Amino acid sequence: GAVVSQHPSRVICKSGTSVKIECRSLDFQATTMFWYRQFPKQSLMLMATSNEGSKATYEQGVEKDKFLINHASLTLSTLTVTSAHPEDSSFYICSAPTRGVNTEAFFGQGTRLTVV
Amino acid sequence: QKEVEQNSGPLSVPEGAIASLNCTYSDRVSQSFFWYRQYSGKSPELIMSIYSNGDKEDGRFTAQLNKASQYVSLLIRDSQPSDSATYLCAVGDNTDKLIFGTGTRLQVFP
Repeated sequence: GAVVSQHPSRVICKSGTSVKIECRSLDFQATTMFWYRQFPKQSLMLMATSNEGSKATYEQGVEKDKFLINHASLTLSTLTVTSAHPEDSSFYICSAPTRGVNTEAFFGQGTRLTVV
Repeated sequence: QKEVEQNSGPLSVPEGAIASLNCTYSDRVSQSFFWYRQYSGKSPELIMSIYSNGDKEDGRFTAQLNKASQYVSLLIRDSQPSDSATYLCAVGDNTDKLIFGTGTRLQVFP
């Protein structure tokens, strides 16, 4: 399958600081990428859709000023958690759909964020 | 609101048996259906995709889709302990956005 790389895999930050997470499609171009958050023993919750060259689309209840998304190129999307608080501690995962006869979505490795 | 329903499990099966995982969805216009496997602490891994009614086989995995009943399933033959994981059903519309179920935890015991 296609390769999506996410970095960092794990980060610990102090409350009030900002953290940037990168998501790259390595062997295909992705005009759209998706950002998910997953709390322990829960399913993936879509946070936002990242669109290359335009503003991200946020799901209901997700603060766009807190979770900044930038899709700078056809292979890179970034999620910045601003002014992080302990309740933002979670597993953040990006995915990118390939576009062929049928569309399939592949996930990055995920980022475990711990805010202390 | 679009929903994807799965039994959370755990589903326990002995090694070598067939594991049957089920999923129902609410949006009739859904066009694409996926099964992902997620090991604890890892991100989901795509194992099967299916787009039309019927069965699709890939190795030990068979996906079954019935759009009239809004039902999709995954069969795992000759289950192995390494198959123990959470299996996520995902349903997509024509926007590439996926809606995930809560996942079914599968335990394969030796």
